[in-house]
Amino acid sequence: EIVLTQSPGTLSLSPGERATLSCRASQSVSSSYLAWYQQKPGQAPRLLIYGAFSRATGIPDRFSGSGSGTDFTLTIRRLEPEDFAVYYCQQYGNSLTFGGGSKVEIK
Amino acid sequence: QVQLVESGGGVVQPGRSLRLSCAASGFPFTSYTMYWVRQAPGKGLEWVSLISYDGSNKYYADSVKGRFTISRDNSQNTLYLQMNSLRPEDTAVYYCARVRYPVVVIHYFDYWGQGTLVTVSS
Repeated sequence: EIVLTQSPGTLSLSPGERATLSCRASQSVSSSYLAWYQQKPGQAPRLLIYGAFSRATGIPDRFSGSGSGTDFTLTIRRLEPEDFAVYYCQQYGNSLTFGGGSKVEIK
Repeated sequence: QVQLVESGGGVVQPGRSLRLSCAASGFPFTSYTMYWVRQAPGKGLEWVSLISYDGSNKYYADSVKGRFTISRDNSQNTLYLQMNSLRPEDTAVYYCARVRYPVVVIHYFDYWGQGTLVTVSS
């Protein structure tokens, strides 16, 4: 099973700042089959990024994904108030596993 | 538009059973693999079970194997999760989710239901 480790656990930032979230896999994720989701309290996860860097429909371009192999990054270029949430990565190249999540909170 | 609506959650005593349902609409349900994914309070996401589009393939997380059974009724566009021998550690919000592409068994999820809360407590 591929284990995904997300860091940092919590990121405290102000609106307008840049957020950089990491997702590290215990072994290479084939074909960059990595997705990112956003989850707000009381809501279901929402797909942001798939295939490591492709934005899902309706996702603003301030969200971007990068990486390959075992190291992946989600970047939020300028945080908007609605971006403060928990973010999860998920790999689907070898079975399916989720990372433990990274919380982006208002500083 | 695609909709997934879960129901059946509630409070149940340890050792008892519960059946969750997920009513799907807005897409050809018979063509898609469906999942149950759960989230314990304050914790991350954990896939629980999946069923292929035609019901021929079913898989379970080790944590629920032998206790939970996934099924689907393609004539009613409904997904089910029968949960037996429930434990306190099964307490979670249970989501049904659709994989992105028809027929594909493992992929990312493009649609999720709103979730239903299962609480296992005496």
